[in-house]
Amino acid sequence: LLQESGPGLVKPSETLSLTCSVSGDSMNNYYWSWIRQPPGKGLEWFGYIFYSGNTNYNPSLKSRITISVDTSKNQFSLKLSSVTAADTAVYYCARGGGYSYAFDSWGQGILVTVSS
Amino acid sequence: DIQMTQSPSTLSSSVGDRVTITCRASQSIYHWLAWYQQKPGKAPKLLIYKASSLENGVPSRFSGSGSGTEFTLTISSLQPDDFATYYCQQYNSYPRTFGQGTKVEIK
Repeated sequence: LLQESGPGLVKPSETLSLTCSVSGDSMNNYYWSWIRQPPGKGLEWFGYIFYSGNTNYNPSLKSRITISVDTSKNQFSLKLSSVTAADTAVYYCARGGGYSYAFDSWGQGILVTVSS
Repeated sequence: DIQMTQSPSTLSSSVGDRVTITCRASQSIYHWLAWYQQKPGKAPKLLIYKASSLENGVPSRFSGSGSGTEFTLTISSLQPDDFATYYCQQYNSYPRTFGQGTKVEIK
């Protein structure tokens, strides 16, 4: 079970920070991803972190993204800097995204609105 | 980036119909393709992985086929619970990319 948490409202130019808590399973040996969906639109993959800490980011967002993991807490996190209204979306955490892995488990999603 | 193009964008069908959705990749992705179902306000749910493998717990009326650049998702007999939006996604190359979605509506 995956569960996103974090603020639902972020001001323009600030940093969006979200955490995904993983329960009922170990984080070991899996890839963990962030994916977002603007209202009424399609899905965009941000990047993944392997349980060991290795990351792979979407080049279109790479300069603004940091994904980190804390396996002792069974959590991984997303930071997206310098947000604008275009970053308003439902943000999902998911298991998968690495080599030969589809996204087989998803959080329920959290709506983050960027507005002053 | 690999572009994923789904057709049609919207599909109107009746319960019991056989439904086929097509997904085309801008370059070969071999068999590294997944299909997801998304209902309003919910997270996507994995249906098919590796082009044709059925995820555990997914009804057998769902099937996937294809390789290279052309793939299909087939629902053999549409059920009321199947009205949703379907997405394909490639995981051959980075960044991972999704199709734009196909909405299956009630006719």
